[in-house]
Amino acid sequence: EPEVTQTPSHQVTQMGQEVILRCVPISNHLYFYWYRQILGQKVEFLVSFYNNEISEKSEIFDDQFSVERPDGSNFTLKIRSTKLEDSAMYFCASSASRGSTEAFFGQGTRLTVV
Amino acid sequence: AQSVTQLGSHVSVSEGALVLLRCNYSSSVPPYLFWYVQYPNQGLQLLLKYTSAATLVKGINGFEAEFKKSETSFHLTKPSAHMSDAAEYFCAVSRTGGGNKLTFGTGTQLKVEL
Repeated sequence: EPEVTQTPSHQVTQMGQEVILRCVPISNHLYFYWYRQILGQKVEFLVSFYNNEISEKSEIFDDQFSVERPDGSNFTLKIRSTKLEDSAMYFCASSASRGSTEAFFGQGTRLTVV
Repeated sequence: AQSVTQLGSHVSVSEGALVLLRCNYSSSVPPYLFWYVQYPNQGLQLLLKYTSAATLVKGINGFEAEFKKSETSFHLTKPSAHMSDAAEYFCAVSRTGGGNKLTFGTGTQLKVEL
C-alpha cells in the first residue's frame, strides 16, 4: 500500500539552527501539506503546495518557514532559525487531486529544539 | 471560516460498551468531514469521511458516523469497544476535497477499560 514517508522520525536541534524536514509523498499525488502538532494540542495546518507553489498558508507559516519540492519526489519543510516554540510533531500529507477527498499522512517528525 | 468542536477531551468506556465521540462543525459552505485516529507514536490514519453522499458513513474497524445538518454534528460511534480502539481521535473539516486544508478539532483521547 502506498504511503507517505517522513525522515527523520526524531530530530533534536539547538535554538537558532536551521532544520530541514523531509517527506516523500505518494508518487501520483499532486497536493502536498505540512501540519504540526505541539505536544498536547491539536493538529494545525501550516501550508499547502500545488504545482510548485504555495497554494495556502496559515499565519503560523511566517518568513522563518519555507517549503520546496526539489526533485519531483521529495517535499521539504525548512525552518531557518529554530525557536523553542517550534518544538512539535510535524506531519506531511498528500492528496491525489482537487477531486480527492482524502489526505494521506506520514508518521511525523518529532522536532525538539533545545 | 470553518471549525470543529470536539466535546470531551477524554472519554473512557468499558470493553464491549458503545463508543460515542462527539463532533460539531461550523461551516459557511457545505463541508467535507473526517475522522482521523492517532495511535501512540504514530501518524494520522483516516477512519471515515463524509463527502455529501450518504449521511451515514461507515469506516474502518467498525466505526461509523452520521452527518446531521440540522444539528451541525458528525459524531463517531462504534457499537462495541475493543481494547485496541484506545487512541486519540480527531474530527476535521475541509471546504472541498483535494487541495484544501483540513481544520482539526482538539482531539478526544479514548480509553478502553476491562
